[in-house]
Amino acid sequence: GQSLEQPSEVTAVEGAIVQINCTYQTSGFYGLSWYQQHDGGAPTFLSYNALDGLEETGRFSSFLSRSDSYGYLLLQELQMKDSASYFCAVRDGTDSWGKLQFGAGTQVVVTP
Amino acid sequence: GAVVSQHPSRVICKSGTSVKIECRSLDFQATTMFWYRQFPKQSLMLMATSNEGSKATYEQGVEKDKFLINHASLTLSTLTVTSAHPEDSSFYICSAAGTGGNEQYFGPGTRLTVT
Repeated sequence: GQSLEQPSEVTAVEGAIVQINCTYQTSGFYGLSWYQQHDGGAPTFLSYNALDGLEETGRFSSFLSRSDSYGYLLLQELQMKDSASYFCAVRDGTDSWGKLQFGAGTQVVVTP
Repeated sequence: GAVVSQHPSRVICKSGTSVKIECRSLDFQATTMFWYRQFPKQSLMLMATSNEGSKATYEQGVEKDKFLINHASLTLSTLTVTSAHPEDSSFYICSAAGTGGNEQYFGPGTRLTVT
């Protein structure tokens, strides 16, 4: 079956660094995406990795190792507004539409 | 980035009635749209994939006769929850993908409450 595993919750203080790991087991793989979702809001796209390595976008970075079926999202210089749920998602390449399968989400709580 | 809208943002209906939710891509043509359902504190569960002009593909366990999807144009997809029941109360989110893109653009979601 298909599964994505990520920690359920992480708590950190402002200014800290948080790493959210994601391991996946899917029938097809076309890339790993990360989305942020605030309570009551829609998911917003953060990053996408199709190839191994690190992608950096401002304070957020994402890493992928396809051989290990593993990736992570790194949040640096945490701010209060970063308190949200973070989802990893695998783009399933088994059909031409590339539908996303989401992990259960990691609740990041940033404290003063 | 691309903009996807949903309407209504919130709806309350009585058990047994039907509710239609619209999803529009405002500034790009969406060849494929996806419908998700999200219960509180849970992940997004894909319900179905729709391509413009063809029948939707439903995920296992999703009743196609209950959740009617129509993707009549490259900018509009609709989800109709027929004969809604309280257990259908959820947050319904659509997303749209353009051609060749690696990103899905999510709508703001529709909060459905069935009383």
